[in-house]
Amino acid sequence: AAGVIQSPRHLIKEKRETATLKCYPIPRHDTVYWYQQGPGQDPQFLISFYEKMQSDKGSIPDRFSAQQFSDYHSELNMSSLELGDSALYFCASSKGLAGAPTEAKNIQYFGAGTRLSVL
Amino acid sequence: QKEVEQDPGPLSVPEGAIVSLNCTYSNSAFQYFMWYRQYSRKGPELLMYTYSSGNKEDGRFTAQVDKSSKYISLFIRDSQPSDSATYLCAMTYGNNRLAFGKGNQVVVIP
Repeated sequence: AAGVIQSPRHLIKEKRETATLKCYPIPRHDTVYWYQQGPGQDPQFLISFYEKMQSDKGSIPDRFSAQQFSDYHSELNMSSLELGDSALYFCASSKGLAGAPTEAKNIQYFGAGTRLSVL
Repeated sequence: QKEVEQDPGPLSVPEGAIVSLNCTYSNSAFQYFMWYRQYSRKGPELLMYTYSSGNKEDGRFTAQVDKSSKYISLFIRDSQPSDSATYLCAMTYGNNRLAFGKGNQVVVIP
């Protein structure tokens, strides 16, 4: 079965550079979530989108922005990178369509993540 | 204080033993309760989910939720070396965002 695809898998950037992470949800999933997992930490929710609109916002720095496109893929844009931004960035997707069973809306499936290293 | 508490201590068990993991939480608004398994450098993989108090079984895995005590557990029977991974409890709230515990690293020794 198709899973959540994230690219790139690894990314190395210098301080103050910008980075763009991409996420392709499971087919027919229209809700995308972004999480940041620092070394030895649990994943922290950043932001989510449903039908191309931002649906929720967590602890996402102002230097970061994200969007969801018409094909439901999402991109996380990170500017003025700092050393502390080095982390695993996960994307998850779920079915968020109105009328979908509540269970389906609540189940998030994760991609393999993008490992960002800021030097 | 984190809303989801999971003692992050590593756990080593011999093959065939029962693995017992648990989390406590403080937010009564949590709706769904999940357990994810995460192998090194990989994304979290959904193992089990439930939304009501009680037990739910799936093969060698049993998820237990006690909403009155705000306590959830995961039991792995007949543990295998392939079960060696980090196990994260997670709960949904608000617009379906997930709050995670810190995770338990489990090592099953052959």
